[in-house]
Formats: sequence, C-alpha cells, structure tokens
Amino acid sequence: GQQLNQSPQSMFIQEGEDVSMNCTSSSIFNTWLWYKQEPGEGPVLLIALYKAGELTSNGRLTAQFGITRKDSFLNISASIPSDVGIYFCAGPRGAQKLVFGQGTRLTINP
Amino acid sequence: DTEVTQTPKHLVMGMTNKKSLKCEQHMGHRAMYWYKQKAKKPPELMFVYSYEKLSINESVPSRFSPECPNSSLLNLHLHALQPEDSALYLCASSQGSGATEAFFGQGTRLTVV
Repeated sequence: GQQLNQSPQSMFIQEGEDVSMNCTSSSIFNTWLWYKQEPGEGPVLLIALYKAGELTSNGRLTAQFGITRKDSFLNISASIPSDVGIYFCAGPRGAQKLVFGQGTRLTINP
Repeated sequence: DTEVTQTPKHLVMGMTNKKSLKCEQHMGHRAMYWYKQKAKKPPELMFVYSYEKLSINESVPSRFSPECPNSSLLNLHLHALQPEDSALYLCASSQGSGATEAFFGQGTRLTVV
C-alpha cells in the first residue's frame, strides 16, 4: 500500500537553528500535506502542495513537492520555542483517505 | 470560520457506559471524518462521511457507531468500550470527498476505565 516514511523520527536542536525533515513514499502522490500537532491538540495544517516541484512558504516554514512525486521536504528556519511539536506529512490514499507519516518530534533547547 | 469544534475535550467512561462525542464545522465542508490517535502514533482513519452518507468504515468495531445528523454535525456514539479504546479521537472535515486539506478539531481525550 501507500506508506509514508518520515525522517528523522525526532530532532533535538538549539533555538535559532534551521530544521529539515522529509517524507518519502514508494508510490506517487498528487498532493502532499504538512501538519503540526502540539500536545493535547489536533493536527493543524501548515502547508499543502499540489504540483511536482512546487515550493511553498508559510512564514518561516518552506515545503517542497519532490519532482519524482514520491517525496516532500519541510524546512523551518530560525527555530523558536513555539515550533516544538510533532510534524506529520500526509497524502491522499484513494479518493477519501489520508495516510500519515510516523511524525517527526521536534524538541528545542532555549 | 475555519474551525472544527469537538466536545467534550476530555471524557472518562466505564466499560458499561454509553457516551457520545460531538463534532461541528461551519465551513460548508461536505466530507467529515473520525480518526483515532494513540500516543506517539499518527492518526488512523475510522469513518468517512461524504454528503451526510457513510462512505468508508475502516473495519471499526460496532461498539463505535457514527452518525451524521446534518452537513455540519458528526457524532460518534460509544458503547461497551474496552480500556484499549482509550485514545485521542479526532474529527476532521474537508471541502469535498477528495481528502485534501483536511482540517482537524482539537480532539476528545477518551479514557476507558
């Protein structure tokens, strides 16, 4: 089936550092979504990508839809304490389902 | 209004209880979803409603019973749950049935005792 492999599983960084994470699949996706989830809350949609090669920014966040359509990257520049959380990539599987990566847990040392 | 509202935020119930989780959205979205999320895991799809009709049931046990009274509301009725059903239950909605850009509620933290 369409599995999403997300890496790294966790990151421990200093405040101010840049962050990179990625998501890969053995199957082609037509859409890539990036969500952030904080403890006790639901996932919040950060960026949606619809076209191979697309590069989209949302503030300090930048995400790219890989040319092969089998991967996507999320970068966070100049991290701040409120960036802490779990970041999930997701993509549609079939007409009405979203499949999620296993998540990248981001911890920031002030 | 880009919110999906879930109530209650927390729920503790016994294995013989009957309870309901509620979800509401006013974005005009025609697809609504229930997901279950265990600790340190991604959300797992349970049910999909499209245009108020159940379109997907991911082989969920019958002790979970979804209901969509209208296009803005989604309920999840719970009966005779097991302790292993304790989890964060998330409701989501999307504009159509294409499952893109799903917006999630804050979830209901359910504990079964």
